[in-house]
Amino acid sequence: GAGVSQTPSNKVTEKGKYVELRCDPISGHTALYWYRQSLGQGPEFLIYFQGTGAADDSGLPNDRFFAVRPEGSVSTLKIQRTERGDSAVYLCASSLTAFGQEAFFGQGTRLTVV
Amino acid sequence: QQQVKQSPQSLIVQKGGISIINCAYENTAFDYFPWYQQFPGKGPALLIAIRPDVSEKKEGRFTISFNKSAKQFSLHIMDSQPGDSATYFCAASGDTDKLIFGTGTRLQVFP
Repeated sequence: GAGVSQTPSNKVTEKGKYVELRCDPISGHTALYWYRQSLGQGPEFLIYFQGTGAADDSGLPNDRFFAVRPEGSVSTLKIQRTERGDSAVYLCASSLTAFGQEAFFGQGTRLTVV
Repeated sequence: QQQVKQSPQSLIVQKGGISIINCAYENTAFDYFPWYQQFPGKGPALLIAIRPDVSEKKEGRFTISFNKSAKQFSLHIMDSQPGDSATYFCAASGDTDKLIFGTGTRLQVFP
């Protein structure tokens, strides 16, 4: 595709449920990032993949959050036992390589936990 | 030390005026400083970026000024237009690759 694609664009879930958010990066981009953006705030780093491996997961807030990128392309962010505080826009970005290359963001998935 | 401080939080500018947004950082390992523009309901889009080996970079109406000794950088939007109304984020990254974002500046340009 032409850009980074995220699905779904909106997700409403009940507290305690499990959710999966999908990111389809730009073809050929080896670096993939997940960020979380709360209302009125800047994006906050969650995890960074270089190829299939998580190179830096220091931003994941707790062990309810997990992300995979099994084939080095599509990535899935998984949140277990969702809490109301998890409500935010989850952004995915990809870049051709890493180390300060331009990162292209998707439109985000707005997660609402009720 | 990982923070990037951004100001002002909001900015109102007349059409044709200059919009100036400032950012400051602490981590001297940062070596890439992009500015992102975000419209409501959209993801951030890269506007312009600079590395610390230059003090200024200009692309069209957008200019980044960089002061390495003060650890500050700013975005100047010349001849501001209503279509520039958006939220602007500064960011920084270094040896860890991840972008650290500022808290954002909501710019409104009135005709």
